[in-house]
Amino acid sequence: ELQLVESGGGLVQPGGSLRLACEASGFPLSSYWMSWVRQAPGKGLEWVASIKQDGSETDHVDSVKGRFTISRDNAKNSLHLQMKSLRAEDTAVYYCVRGSLGLIGADLWGQGTLVAVSS
Amino acid sequence: DIQMTQSPSSLSASVGDRVTITCRASQNIGSALNWYQQKSGKAPHLLIYGASNVESGVPSRFSGSGSGADFTLTISSLQPEDFATYYCQQSNSFPRTFGPGTKVDIK
Repeated sequence: ELQLVESGGGLVQPGGSLRLACEASGFPLSSYWMSWVRQAPGKGLEWVASIKQDGSETDHVDSVKGRFTISRDNAKNSLHLQMKSLRAEDTAVYYCVRGSLGLIGADLWGQGTLVAVSS
Repeated sequence: DIQMTQSPSSLSASVGDRVTITCRASQNIGSALNWYQQKSGKAPHLLIYGASNVESGVPSRFSGSGSGADFTLTISSLQPEDFATYYCQQSNSFPRTFGPGTKVDIK
């Protein structure tokens, strides 16, 4: 079964760090661009970051540049998002997504993991 | 960055109604436009890619059209399971950007 399962979310204080993980099953992660998309409570969707199949290219939304880093471990079929200097406005459900949200869209999404930044 | 707008922001419709949602990009994006459906508490689900290509497994009542900067998602006959929020998303360039969403609820 094709599946993406996120983990690592939780409550963190402003200025803190968190590392999200996404485990892929049913397909080889190494064949796909992968992305993170987030959704603040009651709000719309926001693309956060994408990474090429071999990790040679990455891109991040301006609001997280210098604070968040997307990475991958194809040998372990896993995707990561390292988050530092967290702010209240980073509070959201973070979705792991197959693809770069490119011309064929994002056809597989995880169930999401909640990150809450609060003192 | 490419800005995406949607109209209406919400609508009320009845089962069997034809529903049309509009999405506009701040610049020409060709056919680089995707549509997603999101039900309450669930992850989004891809409906349409490349402006008019229906994703595998998506019912034929969903269709997409448009090119350039103006796009439309149409549900030909609304079904109970279609009550959800719909988002457009441009795939022309990074940063990827979404429209603010259109919530479709029961009249």
